[in-house]
Amino acid sequence: DAKTTQPPSMDCAEGRAANLPCNHSTISGNEYVYWYRQIHSQGPQYIIHGLKNNETNEMASLIITEDRKSSTLILPHATLRDTAVYYCIVRDPSNTGKLIFGQGTTLQVKP
Amino acid sequence: DTAVSQTPKYLVTQMGNDKSIKCEQNLGHDTMYWYKQDSKKFLKIMFSYNNKELIINETVPNRFSPKSPDKAHLNLHINSLELGDSAVYFCASSLSGTARYGYTFGSGTRLTVV
Repeated sequence: DAKTTQPPSMDCAEGRAANLPCNHSTISGNEYVYWYRQIHSQGPQYIIHGLKNNETNEMASLIITEDRKSSTLILPHATLRDTAVYYCIVRDPSNTGKLIFGQGTTLQVKP
Repeated sequence: DTAVSQTPKYLVTQMGNDKSIKCEQNLGHDTMYWYKQDSKKFLKIMFSYNNKELIINETVPNRFSPKSPDKAHLNLHINSLELGDSAVYFCASSLSGTARYGYTFGSGTRLTVV
């Protein structure tokens, strides 16, 4: 079973920041938080990951709370092409364990 | 320069037939996976191979048989296809022991059984 909880859907205005929350209250010390997205039945696309520090790349920022029980993915300037299902996943990368997808959050970016 | 490529992209076949889906990755990853996404859009892992060894085998009918001839290839053979096998099948790969790159997914194979 997925170890994360996400809202099923969110809307965001084009050009505004999209903040997608994720709860992972049972995360263990070795587990990273990964974010993926799936645009209209394409293959899931890696966005960003982190362990405990906040992370930023060209796609997004990841804010992880100090207790690591929740995180927020931030798309700073959402565009219509960011409309997708966003998945938050926790996983220990040191083993070959599976990446378990939950229901994700469907983000609808509106003009 | 496609990282994870699957063939075919679309597959329409009749019940009872046997079909194969092929996957290749050129990322130098050592672990490969098959995921199934059904009409409800849930992504479920089916199999995983690490260095050609089967390491994950979820509760999947034994009509499904994966084969990994080498680290760069993972194929999925399905016998006696049923209507319920209709889904999108995604191949993915990763590098074990590192968090750096996550998983890379292929673009999927849409299987329709009629």
